[in-house]
Amino acid sequence: EIVMTQSPANLSVSPGETATLSCRASQSVNDNLAWYQQKPGQAPRLLMYGASTRATGIPARFSGSGSGTDFTLTISSLQSEDFAVYYCQQYNNWPPWTFGQGTKVEIK
Amino acid sequence: QVQLVESGGGVVQPGRSLRLACAASGFTFGGYSMYWARQAPGKGLEWVALISYDGSNQYYGDSVKGRFTISRDNSKSTLYLQMNSLRAEDTAVYYCARDSLVVSLGVFDYWGQGTLVTVSS
Repeated sequence: EIVMTQSPANLSVSPGETATLSCRASQSVNDNLAWYQQKPGQAPRLLMYGASTRATGIPARFSGSGSGTDFTLTISSLQSEDFAVYYCQQYNNWPPWTFGQGTKVEIK
Repeated sequence: QVQLVESGGGVVQPGRSLRLACAASGFTFGGYSMYWARQAPGKGLEWVALISYDGSNQYYGDSVKGRFTISRDNSKSTLYLQMNSLRAEDTAVYYCARDSLVVSLGVFDYWGQGTLVTVSS
């Protein structure tokens, strides 16, 4: 099973600034990496797949990069609606499909 | 628009059974593989089970293998999760999700709002 590790667990950022979230896989997942956003009391929402392809309707301030074992989600010009928990997930080796433990982006 | 609506959650005693349902609309249900995932209170996401578009293949997480069964009725656009021998550690919000079809399998593009299952005596 591939273990996904996200850092940091919590990130405090001021509105308008940039947030950089990291995700590391225990072995290579190529670019088979997705990112999800989850707000309190809501279902997760797909943000990114293929490490860097935005899902339908996702604004351009969200960008993804990386390949192999190390990945980054960058949120530029943070808006109030971006404060949430973000999860990475690999789909290279399955089953199981595995998620990271999440990074909570909070208002500074 | 795509809608997934879960139902069937509730409070159940350890060792008992529960069946969850997920009613799908807004897309051709029979053309998509479907998933169940769960989230324990205050915790992260865990994949539970997958069923292929035609029901011919199922996969389960190790924590539920042998106890849970995923199934589907394409004529009713409904996904099911039969949960037997429930344990306290199965307490979670259970989500159904659709496969995106953008890759072979594994990108969850739409999620339901979830249904809470609490296993407690």
